[in-house]
Amino acid sequence: DQQVKQNSPSLSVQEGRISILNCDYTNSMFDYFLWYKKYPAEGPTFLISISSIKDKNEDGRFTVFLNKSAKHLSLHIVPSQPGDSAVYFCAPYNAGKSTFGDGTTLTVKP
Amino acid sequence: EAGVAQSPRYKIIEKRQSVAFWCNPISGHATLYWYQQILGQGPKLLIQFQNNGVVDDSQLPKDRFSAERLKGVDSTLKIQPAKLEDSAVYLCASSLEDNTEAFFGQGTRLTVV
Repeated sequence: DQQVKQNSPSLSVQEGRISILNCDYTNSMFDYFLWYKKYPAEGPTFLISISSIKDKNEDGRFTVFLNKSAKHLSLHIVPSQPGDSAVYFCAPYNAGKSTFGDGTTLTVKP
Repeated sequence: EAGVAQSPRYKIIEKRQSVAFWCNPISGHATLYWYQQILGQGPKLLIQFQNNGVVDDSQLPKDRFSAERLKGVDSTLKIQPAKLEDSAVYLCASSLEDNTEAFFGQGTRLTVV
């Protein structure tokens, strides 16, 4: 029973364009939603989060949107840069811990 | 500020052998997590400590995996005996109490042959 699904294993975009990464979840008890970024041979690092009482949170080039009724969130990166190439994990949070999706590998081409 | 330290970085063992991983969390972080990340999947929580007490070990295969957190600081994760399917990256993470953001170490890549 996979509570968190990132249905696109990979995404390729051109530098300067928008990257949109999607995440679906089933557990309505999640109260925060985090995104982590992971480079090869490194541990995940926190990128941005949103509380369940909000529908949008913006931090520089990164914006996360939450649609609670659809149990769906998305991460927008504008403009995308080659350094953004990494694996992105959606990680909803509840009761002191996050549940991770399987990740989306983003490749930004120069 | 020093990050989460893990050792070793890599380990290769034969099946049925035992192995141990070590983690030193960020100073002052009360919560410590061990995750298992199999290739192509997201990290899966094995065990969560709050100080030196276990909060959640529901996903820990207790017949072969064990973990402890001495004095609420360092932690070790042990596998005995190892199976081929234990091949994965083992990630340690820590966080401030009641803080959603976790800080991860670089992980230990285990290969069981």
